[in-house]
Parts: sequence; C-alpha cells; structure tokens
Amino acid sequence: EAGVAQSPRYKIIEKRQSVAFWCNPISGHATLYWYQQILGQGPKLLIQFQNNGVVDDSQLPKDRFSAERLKGVDSTLKIQPAKLEDSAVYLCASSLNSIGGQRWGNEQFFGPGTRLTVL
Amino acid sequence: AQSVTQLGSHVSVSEGALVLLRCNYSSSVPPYLFWYVQYPNQGLQLLLKYTTGATLVKGINGFEAEFKKSETSFHLTKPSAHMSDAAEYFCAVIPFSGGYNKLIFGAGTRLAVHP
Repeated sequence: EAGVAQSPRYKIIEKRQSVAFWCNPISGHATLYWYQQILGQGPKLLIQFQNNGVVDDSQLPKDRFSAERLKGVDSTLKIQPAKLEDSAVYLCASSLNSIGGQRWGNEQFFGPGTRLTVL
Repeated sequence: AQSVTQLGSHVSVSEGALVLLRCNYSSSVPPYLFWYVQYPNQGLQLLLKYTTGATLVKGINGFEAEFKKSETSFHLTKPSAHMSDAAEYFCAVIPFSGGYNKLIFGAGTRLAVHP
C-alpha cells in the first residue's frame, strides 16, 4: 500500500515570496491533516479536512496561509507571502474517517514532509 | 488547553541499557495517548497508542508504555536499547474537545544510543 506522498521535499525561498506544497493521502482516507513542525518543537496542526470540507483551521494563519482539497483527495497548502518564521517542516497526514463508528484515535499516517527554508 | 510535557529534550543511553522516555499530559479527562518516532528526514511513525482497556500497551520494535491515570503519565520504555533506536520520539494526545482526532504533540525527546 502506497503511503502519503508529499512534494517537494525541500524548498528554499526568500521572504515575501510565495510557495505551495502538495500532498496525496493514502487511497480511501477521508481525513487529511497539515502540520507545521518548527525545529525543536513538536508538530502543530494547521488544518484538518474531512473529504473536501474543513474540520479545524483554528491554528492556520489565515492572513498568509491557505489550503484546499477540492476533490476530497489530494491537497495543496500555500504560503503567501512567506516570513522568516515560516521556516519549518510541513507534514501531511491522513486517516480513515472512522472505524466502527469511533471517530477518535484513528491512526494518522504521515508523509515524509517538506522542509521549507525562508531566507 | 490540553498540553503534553516531555521531560528531557535529549536522552542518551548505552546500547543494551533501559530506555525510559517520560510524558505527562494535562487533562482531568484522560485523552487518547500516542507515541510516535521520527527518524531523520522521515515522517512520523506510530509506535503505540492507548485508547481504552489494558493500561500497559505494547508497540513495535520492543517498545511499551503504561498509562497511569493517577500520575497523568504515559512513559515509554524499552528494556534493551539498540543502535537503531536513535531517533526523535514524540508523545501526543487526542483530547475529546475542540475537534475530533486532533493530535497535540509534546516537544519531543531525542534519543541517542552509544556503543
């Protein structure tokens, strides 16, 4: 079974430029997550989709970050304009919507991440 | 708000020694609890999780963790460290409020294993 795919793996940009990351979740996984992992910290959830609807985007800096999952499969996360503090690894994860009616605790499968450096 | 505390950002052990990585959570209602491992330049991999039932949970690669409600802890252990265990380990919780299946991570503990 193919895992979560992300591209690019590495990206270097200058501040105020824009950048986009792509994620393709595991086939059949209805829920998709984007996390930001700053060096020395644990991942922080930015946005969570269920199919093509947003479940949680409470920690997404909406003035510069946007994300979409138009067809309920792959997803794009964009930053425009980038700031120095956006340097981080951006992780995508996916999970089944529910197992046996249980909506909590479903395993999230993570992609390899995109390492963003903003100069 | 729910938080996760991992004591010790760096832990170093000898090969063959006991591994103990500490995790405490802040919640009056026990959340679901997880341990993930991250190898360099890779994504996170689930080691084990506790949802309900037996409080001693066994995971992959010989790791296990015990949920102690009275101590709000979920420490990760392995009886004998192997060189391949060197990685970063994250404790995480899913609280029952503020969205479903939302993982909240600790800051991580980097485990070094020396010969």
